[in-house]
Order: sequence, then structure tokens, then C-alpha cells
Amino acid sequence: QKEVEQDPGPLSVPEGAIVSLNCTYSNSAFQYFMWYRQYSRKGPELLMYTYSSGNKEDGRFTAQVDKSSKYISLFIRDSQPSDSATYLCGPAGGLVFGAGTILRVKS
Amino acid sequence: GAGVSQSPRYKVAKRGQDVALRCDPISGHVSLFWYQQALGQGPEFLTYFQNEAQLDKSGLPSDRFFAERPEGSVSTLKIQRTQQEDSAVYLCASSLGGSDQPQHFGDGTRLSIL
Repeated sequence: QKEVEQDPGPLSVPEGAIVSLNCTYSNSAFQYFMWYRQYSRKGPELLMYTYSSGNKEDGRFTAQVDKSSKYISLFIRDSQPSDSATYLCGPAGGLVFGAGTILRVKS
Repeated sequence: GAGVSQSPRYKVAKRGQDVALRCDPISGHVSLFWYQQALGQGPEFLTYFQNEAQLDKSGLPSDRFFAERPEGSVSTLKIQRTQQEDSAVYLCASSLGGSDQPQHFGDGTRLSIL
């Protein structure tokens, strides 16, 4: 079992939809979690850095951590074509990332 | 500079040649990381520095891979006697503190071995 798992997608949604991206992890020692957005031929860009359980909101983005089920989510409200990218999750300090979920937002 | 800078952006080498990839981290960032990213995959950890000390090199795939950060700033990843399976994007990231702090990535070096 990989330490971090993501559904690779692609996930296709119409513009304006609410998007839910998910990761599961295996090591319960992880405390902080990161979400990155990666455009084609670019490096990952930090979107959210969140601690332990609960929600963190930043504009259209909400990160949610459920430590009991080792499940982390990223919600994108009012999705835009510019959100089309690969989304990576990973625990801070774990030096591991999921394989990424490809998101396509259609105008 | 404002972000992590990597050079060259693209590198083509013949099998058996040595290559050197450079990373300029964000000024003042203590930690520096190297990752390898294959097409359609997430970044795979290679090695990690805190200042000039290489704290973890467990991800380096073979002894052909060598990384250094002699003055605690710029880092170089060297690959000797390159092989086709070394073809990938090599990403560098830096963070202000330790490995549990947010990492900021460069745009990578795309290495192609012919």
C-alpha cells in the first residue's frame, strides 16, 4: 500500500461546479497536510497547508482533514477553467505525494 | 529571487554522459529538497538538505546520483553515466524551516536521455 493514494482521474466538471478531490494516507503520525496545484510543464504550486483535523478555507478552496479515517479532501467552489490542472496531496514532513488527480473544468 | 529557480529547464544527453542540474532556493530557506517526477506521477523524493547538511538521501536510486549543497544555498544534483530510465522531470523545492514546513517548488528540469 502506498503511503498516499489519490484517484488519478481525469475528473471533468462544468464551469461553476463544486469539485471534491480526495486523498487517503496510511501513516497516522502525519499532522500537517498540503495540497498543491500543478499546471502542465510547471512545478507544483502550494494551495493549502492545513493542520490535523477540521476545515481550512481560503477563497474558493476548502481543505478538510479527517484523521480518524485518514482522509483529506480539497473542495473547490465555483470552479473555473483556470482550475484545470493536476492536484497533488501530501503530508508535511512525509516527503511523499500522491500521484495526483487531473481536473478538467469545461467552459 | 522571488521563487525557486532551476537550470537548465531542458537537458538532452546521450546515454552514458554525466549531467548536472542546478537549484537556487528562495533566499533564506534552510531546507532544500530534490524530487524526481515521471509522467503522470507525483514527485518521488530523492534527497533533503538542511543548510549544507544532507540529512536524508534514501531516495537516490543508485550511486550514480549525487547531490551537494556546499554553502547551504545553491544545490546541484549530478547524475553520472546516465541511462534512459533517468529521463524524468527533476524538481527542487525549498522551505523556510524543516521538512514539515510548506515546500515551494521550482519549475523543474526536464531531462531526456537518448
